[in-house]
Amino acid sequence: NAGVTQTPKFQVLKTGQSMTLQCAQDMNHEYMSWYRQDPGMGLRLIHYSVGAGITDQGEVPNGYNVSRSTTEDFPLRLLSAAPSQTSVYFCASSYRSVKGDTEAFFGQGTRLTVV
Amino acid sequence: KQEVTQIPAALSVPEGENLVLNCSFTDSAIYNLQWFRQDPGKGLTSLLLIQSSQREQTSGRLNASLDKSSGRSTLYIAASQPGDSATYLCAVSRIGNTGKLIFGQGTTLQVKP
Repeated sequence: NAGVTQTPKFQVLKTGQSMTLQCAQDMNHEYMSWYRQDPGMGLRLIHYSVGAGITDQGEVPNGYNVSRSTTEDFPLRLLSAAPSQTSVYFCASSYRSVKGDTEAFFGQGTRLTVV
Repeated sequence: KQEVTQIPAALSVPEGENLVLNCSFTDSAIYNLQWFRQDPGKGLTSLLLIQSSQREQTSGRLNASLDKSSGRSTLYIAASQPGDSATYLCAVSRIGNTGKLIFGQGTTLQVKP
C-alpha cells in the first residue's frame, strides 16, 4: 500500500519562481489537506478539500493555490515563491465511514527552501 | 477560535517509566481528537483517534482519554522504551471534517536506556 505519496521530497527555489507540490493517495479518501510545519509554529492548515471539485482555505492560504480534479490527487501550487514559504509541507487524507470520522494519514513531507 | 496546547514541550524519562502527555483545547464543542507520533525528518503517524462520543482509546501500551467538559486529553504510555523517543502531537477536528485538523505544538519525548 502506497498510502499518501508526496513529491518531491526536497526542493530549493529562487524567490519569485513557481512550482507545484504533488500529493497522491490510493485509499479513495474524500478528505485531503495541506499543512506546513515551522519551528515554534507547529502544523498549520493551508488548504483542504472534502471531495473532487471542492476546496476551501485553511489558516494560512495566502500565496498558495489548490485544485482537486480527481479523488486521488491534490496538488499545491506556489504562485511566486517567497523566503517566508520556506517550510516542511505535509499532505494528509482521511474519510468518513459509517462509524464516524477516521484517522488522518500523512505523507512523508516536502522540505522546501526558498532563497 | 480553537487553540490546542501541549504541556510539557519536552520530557526526558528513564526506560521503563510510565508517563503522561497532556493536551488541552479551548473550544469543547463537538470535536474528535487524534494523537500522532513524528520521528525526526519524517511524516506523522496516527496513534489513536478518539471520536467525540468516546472517552478513551487503547492500543498496546498506549491509552488516550478525552474529557470534553474540561477540554483535556491525556496520552498514557506504559513501560516506556527508547524506541518511544519522538515528538507526540495532538490535534482536534470537528465531526465530519477530519481534513481540518488543529494541532498543538507537540511534546518531544526522550526515553533514556
